Amino acid sequence: DARVTQTPRHKVTEMGQEVTMRCQPILGHNTVFWYRQTMMQGLELLAYFRNRAPLDDSGMPKDRFSAEMPDATLATLKIQPSEPRDSAVYFCASGFITGEYTFGSGTRLTVV
Amino acid sequence: ELKVEQNPLFLSMQEGKNYTIYCNYSTTSDRLYWYRQDPGKSLESLFVLLSNGAVKQEGRLMASLDTKARLSTLHITAAVHDLSATYFCAVVLPYNTDKLIFGTGTRLQVFP
Repeated sequence: DARVTQTPRHKVTEMGQEVTMRCQPILGHNTVFWYRQTMMQGLELLAYFRNRAPLDDSGMPKDRFSAEMPDATLATLKIQPSEPRDSAVYFCASGFITGEYTFGSGTRLTVV
Repeated sequence: ELKVEQNPLFLSMQEGKNYTIYCNYSTTSDRLYWYRQDPGKSLESLFVLLSNGAVKQEGRLMASLDTKARLSTLHITAAVHDLSATYFCAVVLPYNTDKLIFGTGTRLQVFP
């Protein structure tokens, strides 16, 4: 089965450090999402891309978060500088418009 | 702004019983998704509903969509313990976007 691959699976970092999370979407999928999941806020849409172009990143704190798709096989989400409140599980998902969206296994981020 | 509400938030039910989870959304949409999430795991796609009146069934789960009422239901028939999980609905904003907004989730626990 085709999968969305996210790395790393777990990340513990100190406050103020840069964090980069990576996502390899399923080959051929043209839409990629980044979500953040916490107990308090649930699943929040941070940003999404269609055909590698960013369509909406209004869910991201702009001063510290950035999302890019340098090519069709890689999406990145960066946090700089990281803060304890960024601790969450970050999911990447990919798919086609009108089709299913497949989620990756997530990156569990802990900022201490 | 699209709001997606699920109820109940928590559901504890006995094996063999039937129950329905409701998903209401606030603006027009032509696509609705149901996902399942086990603790500590990723989201697994259950159903994609693309039109008014759409009904899909898989095993003990049946999902339906009423776009006029802005309502989807996930019906559980003769629940078994393996169905214990958190269930999310997610709605796409209209007008050729992929912006996928998740509901609050319903945590289902099935006991003997």
